[in-house]
Amino acid sequence: DTGVSQDPRHKITKRGQNVTFRCDPISEHNRLYWYRQTLGQGPEFLTYFQNEAQLEKSRLLSDRFSAERPKGSFSTLEIQRTEQGDSAMYLCASSKQGIGEKLFFGSGTQLSVL
Amino acid sequence: DQQVKQNSPSLSVQEGRISILNCDYTNSMFDYFLWYKKYPAEGPTFLISISSIKDKNEDGRFTVFLNKSAKHLSLHIVPSQPGDSAVYFCAARSSGTYKYIFGTGTRLKVLA
Repeated sequence: DTGVSQDPRHKITKRGQNVTFRCDPISEHNRLYWYRQTLGQGPEFLTYFQNEAQLEKSRLLSDRFSAERPKGSFSTLEIQRTEQGDSAMYLCASSKQGIGEKLFFGSGTQLSVL
Repeated sequence: DQQVKQNSPSLSVQEGRISILNCDYTNSMFDYFLWYKKYPAEGPTFLISISSIKDKNEDGRFTVFLNKSAKHLSLHIVPSQPGDSAVYFCAARSSGTYKYIFGTGTRLKVLA
């Protein structure tokens, strides 16, 4: 069990640049989530995949945000034309659908937009 | 619209004593609850869960209690250890859905 892996751990970018984050879930998990966390807040839901299908996207996500999960394996989250308000920890989690389901989180990607 | 609330932002407890972390929710459709622990610069780590068909679940030093009528759950840690110092989040999900809603967290500090 290798756990959920996220890359990079840290990203510093200038306002207006595009950034892409990658998440590798636990291999047998069919559900994949992206959450965002800012200081003093709990994780906020961004989007959810069941296998390769993106079933929900939060209203928090503007059109600048896009996520994919090709072939139901790894996932990418892209932010275009970054803004300072995008600075946050971006967390990926995966789970196996079923009774007693629980989310396993990666270590996150800390984004700083200057 | 904060459906899951953790009204105590911080808590300090002496080593060896009991830590009690509280969580309130407003959505009566929530039927599955989880607690997570988070250290700085790391992702949340699962601690314990409870389904609405139970009112108590225990795992080692961690016990979660659910009071459905009050829409309240609590996490008890006994005995508390310095390594338990972290931010604790409760999360809830409605039956048949996949989205987990998290509270804002409580920072626990266990004093040696």
